[in-house]
Amino acid sequence: RKEVEQDPGPFNVPEGATVAFNCTYSNSASQSFFWYRQDCRKEPKLLMSVYSSGNEDGRFTAQLNRASQYISLLIRDSKLSDSATYLCVVTPVTGFQKLVFGTGTRLLVSP
Amino acid sequence: GAVVSQHPSWVICKSGTSVKIECRSLDFQATTMFWYRQFPKQSLMLMATSNEGSKATYEQGVEKDKFLINHASLTLSTLTVTSAHPEDSSFYICSAREESSGLTGELFFGEGSRLTVL
Repeated sequence: RKEVEQDPGPFNVPEGATVAFNCTYSNSASQSFFWYRQDCRKEPKLLMSVYSSGNEDGRFTAQLNRASQYISLLIRDSKLSDSATYLCVVTPVTGFQKLVFGTGTRLLVSP
Repeated sequence: GAVVSQHPSWVICKSGTSVKIECRSLDFQATTMFWYRQFPKQSLMLMATSNEGSKATYEQGVEKDKFLINHASLTLSTLTVTSAHPEDSSFYICSAREESSGLTGELFFGEGSRLTVL
């Protein structure tokens, strides 16, 4: 089983739509959780950290469910510029500085 | 914000040659940098942790004699792919975290280096 699993997509949505991604992780003792965004052939960039209480940043909302070991990302009012691959990232207990990446979920927002 | 720069951004080389990739933290110091590899449609896989002034720590399955890492200063780490073969063709990305941000600070990534071995 992969440490971090994501639906690869692609998710095709029209502008203005709301879309949600889920991610599951296998290590119940994982410490930190993030969503990164990666554009084609570019480096990943931090979108937001995920906190236990859930957190929101503009149109983006992240949730963490430790009991079920999954993380979610909700994007409201999708923009064309949101088209990218969204990577779920987890920090395992051992090697705290290391990040374990999911394969990413591709989002395509169309006019 | 903090910037990590990688060079070269892309390189094409013949099989059997060695290729060096540089990773620099431009406006902050990083005693630890990380090297990742990403094959098409796959996730980033950590190859090794580069430690300034000491030996790198390699992940399981990564050949340390093939992927030489040198972290000679607080702002520079290099990855050398020795005797490259076509299966080494990949997107190599480095990352670093500002020392002052602690272990939970944002990890900044270089722009990546796309290696193609003919």
